Amino acid sequence: EAGVAQSPRYKIIEKRQSVAFWCNPISGHATLYWYQQILGQGPKLLIQFQNNGVVDDSQLPKDRFSAERLKGVDSTLKIQPAKLEDSAVYLCASSSVLGLSYEQYFGPGTRLTVT
Amino acid sequence: KQEVTQIPAALSVPEGENLVLNCSFTDSAIYNLQWFRQDPGKGLTSLLLIQSSQREQTSGRLNASLDKSSGRSTLYIAASQPGDSATYLCAVRRWTGANNLFFGTGTRLTVIP
Repeated sequence: EAGVAQSPRYKIIEKRQSVAFWCNPISGHATLYWYQQILGQGPKLLIQFQNNGVVDDSQLPKDRFSAERLKGVDSTLKIQPAKLEDSAVYLCASSSVLGLSYEQYFGPGTRLTVT
Repeated sequence: KQEVTQIPAALSVPEGENLVLNCSFTDSAIYNLQWFRQDPGKGLTSLLLIQSSQREQTSGRLNASLDKSSGRSTLYIAASQPGDSATYLCAVRRWTGANNLFFGTGTRLTVIP
């Protein structure tokens, strides 16, 4: 079974530029999550989708961050414009609605450096 | 608001030693707790998941325990190996609302050959 795919793996941009990240979840997983992990900290949830609807985006900085999952499969996360404090690893995860554990499977992440 | 704390932040042990990593959380109304491993530059790998009704889970040399009432979990690693060197994260999933995870800051483990 293929895992969660993310691209790009690394991105370096200047502040005020825009950037987009892509995630393809495990096939059949209805729930998709985007997390931000700043160096030395644990991941923090940015947004959670159930199919193509948003379940929780309470910690998403909506003035600069946006995310979509139009067909209920893959997803993109965008930052526009980027700030220095957005430097972090952006992790995508997915989980199945079947079963009762809601266990999440993570992709390799995209490391963003804002200079 | 749920807060998850992991102690120690870093740990170095000689190969072969048994060790315990600690995780505490402030809100005991959790659905389950998950332990992850993170290698440098990589994503998270799930190690063990304990449902709120369970006391422990075992996988190979790993044993995770959960004491929900006191807000604590431990990850026990037996006979540590250099390949166990990584950052270990615990995360709790709440009962209500979205089933997202609240993560601790992790324990960085180094096993010295």
